[in-house]
Amino acid sequence: QVQLVESGGGVVQPGRSLRLACAASGVSFRTYGMHWVRQAPGTGLEWVAGIWFDGTHEDYADSVKGRFTISRDNSIETLYLQMNSLRVDDTAVYFCARGNVLVTPDHFDIWGQGTAVTVS
Amino acid sequence: QSVLTQPPSVSGAPGQRVTISCTGSTSNFGAGYDVHWYQQLPGTAPRILIYGDKRRPSGVPDRFSGSRSFTSASLAITGLQAEDEGDYYCQSYDTSLRRFVFGTGTRVTVL
Repeated sequence: QVQLVESGGGVVQPGRSLRLACAASGVSFRTYGMHWVRQAPGTGLEWVAGIWFDGTHEDYADSVKGRFTISRDNSIETLYLQMNSLRVDDTAVYFCARGNVLVTPDHFDIWGQGTAVTVS
Repeated sequence: QSVLTQPPSVSGAPGQRVTISCTGSTSNFGAGYDVHWYQQLPGTAPRILIYGDKRRPSGVPDRFSGSRSFTSASLAITGLQAEDEGDYYCQSYDTSLRRFVFGTGTRVTVL
């Protein structure tokens, strides 16, 4: 079964930390780049961070650079997002999504159901 | 602030054809990066609808089609159905910003 399942969301105070996880199954996790995309309440989609298939390169949106860290453990097919110094405007549903098998930018073909983060 | 601009909403009667535009720039579409389209039905995660400007993943009806012309792109839905109601987003990569970018989103309403 092809799926991505996020976990770790919740309510947290400003300035605190939270770690999200995304468990993959049936998606050839080790050979694809992976990403986090978020959606604040009532708004559109915002790409947050991405990581190459082998974990050797990461990219971040300016809004989270220096505060968030994306990582992956290919041995257990899990993607992570460590979120530090959380701000009220980080409140959103966070989706993990599968990217490209190559390192060139492409589309996101498989999405998780999302996990909600509320900073308040 | 998104660098890909879409109309906030489009609407049509069942069976009609609607189109959604996505306007980019020379640093994304014009730089050769493809446009991709996602459908987000109420309360659900986005799903890929069109990738590589005009390719449909398996399972996506051929009522959905995409096109791109230099710095603009469009998604067409023919034979509009009630289950098409939702939000639609274009997406690409911007070489100036060095990040993935999404469009502002378009709400499709079936009258």
